[in-house]
Amino acid sequence: QLQLQESGPGLVKPSETLFLTCTVSGASFSISDYYWGWIRQPPGEGLEWIGSIDYSGSTYYNPSLKSRVTISGDSSKKQFSLKLSSVTAADTAVYYCATTPTVTTGYYFNYWGQGTLVTVSS
Amino acid sequence: QSVLTQPPSVSAAPGQKVTISCSGSSSNIGNNYVSWYQQLPGTAPKLLIYDNNKRPSGIPDRFSGSKSGTSATLGITGLQTGDEADYYCGTWDSSLSTWVFGGGTKLTVL
Repeated sequence: QLQLQESGPGLVKPSETLFLTCTVSGASFSISDYYWGWIRQPPGEGLEWIGSIDYSGSTYYNPSLKSRVTISGDSSKKQFSLKLSSVTAADTAVYYCATTPTVTTGYYFNYWGQGTLVTVSS
Repeated sequence: QSVLTQPPSVSAAPGQKVTISCSGSSSNIGNNYVSWYQQLPGTAPKLLIYDNNKRPSGIPDRFSGSKSGTSATLGITGLQTGDEADYYCGTWDSSLSTWVFGGGTKLTVL
């Protein structure tokens, strides 16, 4: 059983960079057991996958956000991070970190953080 | 406009059964596994079904999943008021090279 916790500023100004960190805790795990991802949900709307990173540092991004997104990991700290540049009001959302098992038939998100609301406003 | 199409809302009485559909195409549901998520009000999504029809540990067998062609279905039997939530389907889209979610279905237990 893993626990994921997002952290970072709740307010970001337009055109600036959003930076969030996800800290992982819980039962013993290997970083190679999962892909580590970010998903967001604008207020009152549906879910949007932002991207994921694997144990080797390979990243996979939503093409619609790829030019502005960077996901990185620090296994020693059991953390992975999201950077989203040039934000606008459309980036206002609850941001979730989530895991996808690597040893599996299909892909899915099995552990989720509680989410953190990021508002883009001046 | 979501790549996967779900009905915006469904409703049924306590104890009854409900199904939620998720329609896609050959580039997503047709050739990849589907998962389903339950999002209770004010909380993070929770995995309900993975690999089309498998339930994670702790998910009651009232919840079931199936897939046929380019559509998937979530079934919930013995409805309880605690099942009122938003439900999302999701899968990988091989053409778009991105994970896609349905627009979500709000379940009301009358």
